[in-house]
Amino acid sequence: GENVEQHPSTLSVQEGDSAVIKCTYSDSASNYFPWYKQELGKGPQLIIDIRSNVGEKKDQRIAVTLNKTAKHFSLHITETQPEDSAVYFCAHKPAGNMLTFGGGTRLMVKP
Amino acid sequence: EAQVTQNPRYLITVTGKKLTVTCSQNMNHEYMSWYRQDPGLGLRQIYYSMNVEVTDKGDVPEGYKVSRKEKRNFPLILESPSPNQTSLYFCASSFGLGFGYTFGSGTRLTVV
Repeated sequence: GENVEQHPSTLSVQEGDSAVIKCTYSDSASNYFPWYKQELGKGPQLIIDIRSNVGEKKDQRIAVTLNKTAKHFSLHITETQPEDSAVYFCAHKPAGNMLTFGGGTRLMVKP
Repeated sequence: EAQVTQNPRYLITVTGKKLTVTCSQNMNHEYMSWYRQDPGLGLRQIYYSMNVEVTDKGDVPEGYKVSRKEKRNFPLILESPSPNQTSLYFCASSFGLGFGYTFGSGTRLTVV
């Protein structure tokens, strides 16, 4: 599948601070951009997604923004809490293809 | 409860001994897929299935087989496992390509 670059690979923040993870993709026809959270010993879980016809979506403390011109999308977590510590994966769906995942970001929220 | 169930959770086997990892979903999803997760390599797709009797290769299909005889089940078969197939495996399902996936809890496979 078409690659998606995810940065940073690790992110450490203080509890209460914000965290931002960014992904870039190459296929301009990509139209679906989900984010997954993987806690230790568990499978990835969908936390938020966005489709190409909107630029931003929020769900409580998490939000996703999409810039189709620049071909990047970002996950924003505000007021981080220790339970936000996990590995986060972005993904995108290139046209006529399956979901392709980024390499993951290990987020550590320090109390 | 809507879920994807994988079995076993942990498996240690020897090189060349055929094994099957089962995957079942109770959400009537059309689409099912297998991924392997290795450190530094993220999630890589092995095989996927768009519907019953329809399967296709993902990015890393070598050494694996799958079948989709029923909508709810999508087993992963390793006919002759090798040590480079030691990995964490996830099964996932969804209503279709443009929808979020539900993942199983994973199967940690060690081939010695």
